[in-house]
Amino acid sequence: GDSVTQMEGPVTLSEEAFLTINCTYTATGYPSLFWYVQYPGEGLQLLLKATKADDKGSNKGFEATYRKETTSFHLEKGSVQVSDSAVYFCALSLTDSWGKFQFGAGTQVVVTP
Amino acid sequence: SAVISQKPSRDICQRGTSLTIQCQVDSQVTMMFWYRQQPGQSLTLIATANQGSEATYESGFVIDKFPISRPNLTFSTLTVSNMSPEDSSIYLCSVETGGYTFGSGTRLTVV
Repeated sequence: GDSVTQMEGPVTLSEEAFLTINCTYTATGYPSLFWYVQYPGEGLQLLLKATKADDKGSNKGFEATYRKETTSFHLEKGSVQVSDSAVYFCALSLTDSWGKFQFGAGTQVVVTP
Repeated sequence: SAVISQKPSRDICQRGTSLTIQCQVDSQVTMMFWYRQQPGQSLTLIATANQGSEATYESGFVIDKFPISRPNLTFSTLTVSNMSPEDSSIYLCSVETGGYTFGSGTRLTVV
């Protein structure tokens, strides 16, 4: 079945460090890929998305590229801030199941001053 | 993208009781989705709710435990029935309207 695997956390970084969160997927069809972020005590927010191979999603300094050959969608940010502390979820949605997501387990990121 | 109002935002309930969670969308949507996020875990899809038909439940979830109503294209409710402490979770609704939006969630604690 379809699934998403992302690196375990917590990931602890100093401010201005480089962040990478690995995400790989398995899917029978052609999924769209997403990164969602959940700040402490808040709901889920869409961070970025990519709908086809080689697309790059970007938002708030975060980037992720849809790599079909490696079935990956790794999230990166060049210089993190304390305000980036949150749980990040990688997810996929198949083209015939719009709105239905398969989520990864989530990766907690803690950025220290 | 759509704006979702979900309530209550949190509740503490006695075991054996039921809680109904409401999800209101500011635009008409065909499908609404209900998810559960157990403590420290990822989101799991409970069911898909289409207006005018019975909800479609994912494996491991049943209508008797999680009855869903979808009376119109902007509203849905999820009831968590006969609650036990294992039902303590965050419950979220979601819609797709050109972008994917989640409600802010209902944090349920069963004591």
